[in-house]
Amino acid sequence: ETGVTQSPTHLIKTRGQQVTLRCSSQSGHNTVSWYQQALGQGPQFIFQYYREEENGRGNFPPRFSGLQFPNYSSELNVNALELDDSALYLCASSSGGGSHEQFFGPGTRLTVL
Amino acid sequence: AQSVTQPDIHITVSEGASLELRCNYSYGATPYLFWYVQSPGQGLQLLLKYFSGDTLVQGIKGFEAEFKRSQSSFNLRKPSVHWSDAAEYFCAVGATGNQGGKLIFGQGTELSVKP
Repeated sequence: ETGVTQSPTHLIKTRGQQVTLRCSSQSGHNTVSWYQQALGQGPQFIFQYYREEENGRGNFPPRFSGLQFPNYSSELNVNALELDDSALYLCASSSGGGSHEQFFGPGTRLTVL
Repeated sequence: AQSVTQPDIHITVSEGASLELRCNYSYGATPYLFWYVQSPGQGLQLLLKYFSGDTLVQGIKGFEAEFKRSQSSFNLRKPSVHWSDAAEYFCAVGATGNQGGKLIFGQGTELSVKP
């Protein structure tokens, strides 16, 4: 059984640029959730995708957007990067929209200069 | 609004000593509750979960947690800490309604283990 994988591991961007982060869900899971974890903080929910549709969104601006593909992998896109977007971005997969037992990937560390 | 509070930002215990990490939540119904552990630069690993039933739940790595509805608490315990337990621990509650499978996390408790 393959766990949740994320790419890239690390990324450095400059303010105003756009970034795409990728996540492959665990085998058998059809739901992907994205979280932002700032340094020294707990993860904050960005949004969840279930069967290719957004299924809940946290308090993040529209420049944070996502996609889920038919194989249940997912992308997180962030436009017009700001310095405060520097964080660890975590992807979690689960089985069934609304299911709370989520399995996390190792994360992507984004640094915005 | 749903929320999670972990009152202790940093705890240091001696190896072999017992451990209790505190977690209090605010929620209108029976919550789904979780404890996750995060090693430096890593993702989150699920230690244990509570959905319903027996209020004392067992998890991996010798951890257990007790759900106390009257105190709105879900404290994590381990009888004997090992040096490898040094990490950041997060308590989380599962949201409901139109928030889908949103998890709300506390700020975390950093555990240090003295030899």
